[in-house]
Amino acid sequence: GIQVEQSPPDLILQEGANSTLRCNFSDSVNNLQWFHQNPWGQLINLFYIPSGTKQNGRLSATTVATERYSLLYISSSQTTDSGVYFCAVGANFGNEKLTFGTGTRLTIIP
Amino acid sequence: GAGVSQSPSNKVTEKGKDVELRCDPISGHTALYWYRQSLGQGLEFLIYFQGNSAPDKSGLPSDRFSAERTGGSVSTLTIQRTQQEDSAVYLCASSPRAIVGVQFFGPGTRLTVL
Repeated sequence: GIQVEQSPPDLILQEGANSTLRCNFSDSVNNLQWFHQNPWGQLINLFYIPSGTKQNGRLSATTVATERYSLLYISSSQTTDSGVYFCAVGANFGNEKLTFGTGTRLTIIP
Repeated sequence: GAGVSQSPSNKVTEKGKDVELRCDPISGHTALYWYRQSLGQGLEFLIYFQGNSAPDKSGLPSDRFSAERTGGSVSTLTIQRTQQEDSAVYLCASSPRAIVGVQFFGPGTRLTVL
């Protein structure tokens, strides 16, 4: 099956810093999503981005499908950005089951 | 409701007992997924329902696991003869027909098998 690798596994930053999280995948995908899992365990949708670039406030994401990677950018980080960020991909039209990466744990220090 | 809901939020059971976990998807969503999150295995797919099509059960780890979706809405995941390795957070997600693939997750059920 498709493999999803995320880097770095852990990231500790001072409040206000910027960060880039990376997701590499091993095969062509038709679905790619970024999620934030907050400290209470809730998975929150950030982006549905199988290709191209999107922005939402301080967050933006870019997927280069031909090179099989996606990047999540967080600017001017806040303590509420802390948690685990997951990249998940799907490779089957009509069955959108997701394969998740192992996540990046982000800790923002005040 | 506004989002996917799951019940119970926590379940503690003894090894060998059966458990049922419930998922209420977002109203009108046609696709429903079950995943589980455990320390050793990360987030892994279990089963997928789409409308009246046969479910994709390819992620179920053993025949002790089963799921059904009644009336195209509520789903129940059943684990028979629970084992300690079944301890995990079980997550349900749903997605709308219009944006197939964008999955919205519930808060999960934390299952602990003693």
